[in-house]
Amino acid sequence: DADVTQTPRNRITKTGKRIMLECSQTKGHDRMYWYRQDPGLGLRLIYYSFDVKDINKGEISDGYSVSRQAQAKFSLSLESAIPNQTALYFCATSVGGANVLTFGAGSRLTVL
Amino acid sequence: GENVEQHPSTLSVQEGDSAVIKCTYSDSASNYFPWYKQELGKGPQLIIDIRSNVGEKKDQRIAVTLNKTAKHFSLHITETQPEDSAVYFCAASGGAGSYQLTFGKGTKLSVIP
Repeated sequence: DADVTQTPRNRITKTGKRIMLECSQTKGHDRMYWYRQDPGLGLRLIYYSFDVKDINKGEISDGYSVSRQAQAKFSLSLESAIPNQTALYFCATSVGGANVLTFGAGSRLTVL
Repeated sequence: GENVEQHPSTLSVQEGDSAVIKCTYSDSASNYFPWYKQELGKGPQLIIDIRSNVGEKKDQRIAVTLNKTAKHFSLHITETQPEDSAVYFCAASGGAGSYQLTFGKGTKLSVIP
């Protein structure tokens, strides 16, 4: 089984719908992150969490929210999806004090 | 905040040749510089990293060099193989007390058999 599991792997939805992307990890890491990848733009940080009670905005948090339900679970929500949120989303984890990220396989979201 | 520029955006090399990808960063306080490889359909994976107290680091066919004065670092892949074909991302962190990674925009490397 993968260390960092993202569900769903692919999702097509319509403008205005609420979408949740889920991430779970078995690495025992305390830090979790959500990144967005767009062609030619690299990886941009949406939100990050250093522990269950700690949530921080990243570079591009507008239009997104997150929930850290447990140390191993971190979900990303789009309350009202719009087409320019079409992208590949990655969850990542790291252990405190070290910046080595372990990424999930990604969730491809298409908003029509 | 930190800004990381990565060049080239695409790179094609013949199998067996060397490949070099370059990155520059803006925050002189940054002190950690990793490189990630992303294969098709997968998430990025760390392949090598370097900290600011080291000028060069090697791991078999890959090496990273760091020039803190010029604020640039490079990834070198020697004796390239088809399985090296992927997208490579550089990143920087540690500036202004931040542990967040700022990524470059990526380089798509194609190794032609």
